[in-house]
Amino acid sequence: GESVGLHLPTLSVQEGDNSIINCAYSNSASDYFIWYKQESGKGPQFIIDIRSNMDKRQGQRVTVLLNKTVKHLSLQIAATQPGDSAVYFCAENGRGTGTASKLTFGTGTRLQVTL
Amino acid sequence: NAGVTQTPKFQVLKTGQSMTLQCAQDMNHNSMYWYRQDPGMGLRLIYYSASEGTTDKGEVPNGYNVSRLNKREFSLRLESAAPSQTSVYFCASTSLMGEKLFFGSGTQLSVL
Repeated sequence: GESVGLHLPTLSVQEGDNSIINCAYSNSASDYFIWYKQESGKGPQFIIDIRSNMDKRQGQRVTVLLNKTVKHLSLQIAATQPGDSAVYFCAENGRGTGTASKLTFGTGTRLQVTL
Repeated sequence: NAGVTQTPKFQVLKTGQSMTLQCAQDMNHNSMYWYRQDPGMGLRLIYYSASEGTTDKGEVPNGYNVSRLNKREFSLRLESAAPSQTSVYFCASTSLMGEKLFFGSGTQLSVL
């Protein structure tokens, strides 16, 4: 079946540097992608989303890039802070699979911010 | 502004016991979901309710039942708990299926 995966399970970044978290997806029919942040003991929190008719979208200190040619999604965090330490999940909506559209989640990347 | 509220936050069960996880949202969302999260795995969909009065199986429905009590509330029931159901359970809701989900804070369940 279709799947969403992440290249790196753990990413260590020095405070103040930029972080890049990558995600590969395989469902070419997906037209909506989203990133979540999950801190220890908490539920996933929305960070940013992007539709397939866009290549890039920016939020506050975060940017999502979508490359449909190679089915790749990335999350860039500028000036990484200790509070950014968390697990980050990408998800796709799998539209066109013949069933009700639902988000399918990747396994997550842990971001560790070092001082 | 509570969002999605789940109860309880923690629960320990013995094998064979039953329990119901409660979820309520105050955002007037049509669709609600139950996910489980296990170490090293992504969120896996157990059941969902596209709208009040409807429920459907997700990826891992075996051993669970759900009830969409009204538009606000969506409960998950374990009739006879098994150790394989030890997990963290998240309820979520959305106004548009297949798009941004709002999650509760989770229920950590241990089945001994």
